[in-house]
Amino acid sequence: KQEVTQIPAALSVPEGENLVLNCSFTDSAIYNLQWFRQDPGKGLTSLLLIQSSQREQTSGRLNASLDKSSGRSTLYIAASQPGDSATYLCAVPGGTSYGKLTFGQGTILTVHP
Amino acid sequence: DTGVSQDPRHKITKRGQNVTFRCDPISEHNRLYWYRQTLGQGPEFLTYFQNEAQLEKSRLLSDRFSAERPKGSFSTLEIQRTEQGDSAMYLCASSYELTRNEQFFGPGTRLTVL
Repeated sequence: KQEVTQIPAALSVPEGENLVLNCSFTDSAIYNLQWFRQDPGKGLTSLLLIQSSQREQTSGRLNASLDKSSGRSTLYIAASQPGDSATYLCAVPGGTSYGKLTFGQGTILTVHP
Repeated sequence: DTGVSQDPRHKITKRGQNVTFRCDPISEHNRLYWYRQTLGQGPEFLTYFQNEAQLEKSRLLSDRFSAERPKGSFSTLEIQRTEQGDSAMYLCASSYELTRNEQFFGPGTRLTVL
């Protein structure tokens, strides 16, 4: 059974800092990994999807890396802003083609001015 | 707006009542998923449709829960005889199998059972 763990559970940083969120998964037989953002009481916004054949994916100030063999992914946020405050979730699909996602518990990020 | 939509956004009901939620996926997406999220946790998979066929149900989905996707378009999730433990955010997502199966989520329906 796939298990996903995110560290740290919460992070509070001053504006402008670069930061790293970590995600680990137990079954490396994945074909992609998604990072999401969730604002309080809202749905999930897809940030990045990394295919298993990729090692990195970038979107603006966000960079996600994937190391399948070690079962790890990191989300790097450059020059953090108060608007980045949210919960960040990583998710991996099951070992079948339809891709039901298994999520971590998330990292709650607070960026203070 | 061509994103995933869900209705209602909030539902308050009394224990024992039946509730029904609706999800409209992105129009060209053939896959539709339901997830449930409780406070402080990541979403948990409930069920999945490819077109109109329901292909998998989680063990979390007791016999009080039923989901349909007639004609492979919108989907409904019904909970019968609601219990306080059903209080959660119910999230719908859709994807298209030929485009990396990236899942896009709706805003969710927040259910409170009194």
